[in-house]
Amino acid sequence: DGGITQSPKYLFRKEGQNVTLSCEQNLNHDAMYWYRQDPGQGLRLIYYSQIVNDFQKGDIAEGYSVSREKKESFPLTVTSAQKNPTAFYLCASSYREGFSYEQYFGPGTRLTVT
Amino acid sequence: KQEVTQIPAALSVPEGENLVLNCSFTDSAIYNLQWFRQDPGKGLTSLLLIQSSQREQTSGRLNASLDKSSGRSTLYIAASQPGDSATYLCAVMDSNYQLIWGAGTKLIIKP
Repeated sequence: DGGITQSPKYLFRKEGQNVTLSCEQNLNHDAMYWYRQDPGQGLRLIYYSQIVNDFQKGDIAEGYSVSREKKESFPLTVTSAQKNPTAFYLCASSYREGFSYEQYFGPGTRLTVT
Repeated sequence: KQEVTQIPAALSVPEGENLVLNCSFTDSAIYNLQWFRQDPGKGLTSLLLIQSSQREQTSGRLNASLDKSSGRSTLYIAASQPGDSATYLCAVMDSNYQLIWGAGTKLIIKP
């Protein structure tokens, strides 16, 4: 089955620790995205990548980092510099960046930092 | 700056009723508008995508309309079922190919 997988589903960390969220897709999509979702708010874009070895900051990139070494994988690291890391994180992909292409979403990772 | 608003934040209706969810946006310079469904604790499922040149799209019991000039879209759900209970999100694609999201409408269909 083609799709996007995110792991783990739930993640708990102590304040001050870095944590990496996994996102893998087998849809042969060029573009991948990371969003953050907080209660009562719309999704906000953290980082996106249009092609391997290239990525751009979204609206709320501070305290996050990404890499895109393979087409299928786009891991997100939440660093200790992120002031409010507890949130639901969603990864998405699309065939290419552009207006014709729908974004497909993974099941999400809920991160709790205490 | 583009802003997307969805009102109401929550809606509860009896099973079988037809209903309309609303989405408004402040900048008419969009490439498309998309409606998504999100079940609790889950990812998003795309329901309908309307290109800026289109007025509406239909899929089964769902019909979405787009009026760019007034900055409004509606999602019409016919003959609602308990399985339609979810949060419905709309998003517009701006001139930078970025999706700008509304906060969603939480829909509850009462059996």
